[in-house]
Amino acid sequence: DVKVTQSSRYLVKRTGEKVFLECVQDMDHENMFWYRQDPGLGLRLIYFSYDVKMKEKGDIPEGYSVSREKKERFSLILESASTNQTSMYLCASSWAGGGRYGYTFGSGTRLTVV
Amino acid sequence: AQSVSQHNHHVILSEAASLELGCNYSYGGTVNLFWYVQYPGQHLQLLLKYFSGDPLVKGIKGFEAEFIKSKFSFNLRKPSVQWSDTAEYFCAGYGNNRLAFGKGNQVVVIP
Repeated sequence: DVKVTQSSRYLVKRTGEKVFLECVQDMDHENMFWYRQDPGLGLRLIYFSYDVKMKEKGDIPEGYSVSREKKERFSLILESASTNQTSMYLCASSWAGGGRYGYTFGSGTRLTVV
Repeated sequence: AQSVSQHNHHVILSEAASLELGCNYSYGGTVNLFWYVQYPGQHLQLLLKYFSGDPLVKGIKGFEAEFIKSKFSFNLRKPSVQWSDTAEYFCAGYGNNRLAFGKGNQVVVIP
């Protein structure tokens, strides 16, 4: 089975801190994605990446950046965390062009910014 | 890109009742539609998907969905729910190299 592993299940950070959320997949998938999940809003795409060093903005990229230096790892960065970034963050991956068959998701990181 | 919308965010049912969750999509070329489920404390799992062919799609755990092109709908159904079906359900559409999700339906099944 494909595994998508998110390094932290729960994180608590202070306002203004720089925050790194890490995601690793073990099936050589080309595509990786970061979503945030909020009650009543569903999943919203923050950023995605087709390949190493490639990135594309999703629907809500403001306040976030990403890094993909290796194919298996996709990091989400909050440059200066704010309380409105308190959320559940989900990482996903898929084969190139395989997104039409669905994604594999990690278990999520619940981030609280205080 | 494919966008989807879901209605009736919260649904409360008794065991053995039938469940139907609505999903409407906007046409964006090729139709690729999905239903995902998220059980409490767990990761998102794929329930079923539709690309083409038979509009009635069977998924895991006794779920099915029907693609109705004339209504732009892809509704999820289960004839008889169990307490273990308590979860959040998301419809999603694929287009422009990404999955776009609906806002989800929180389903609570009362024993």
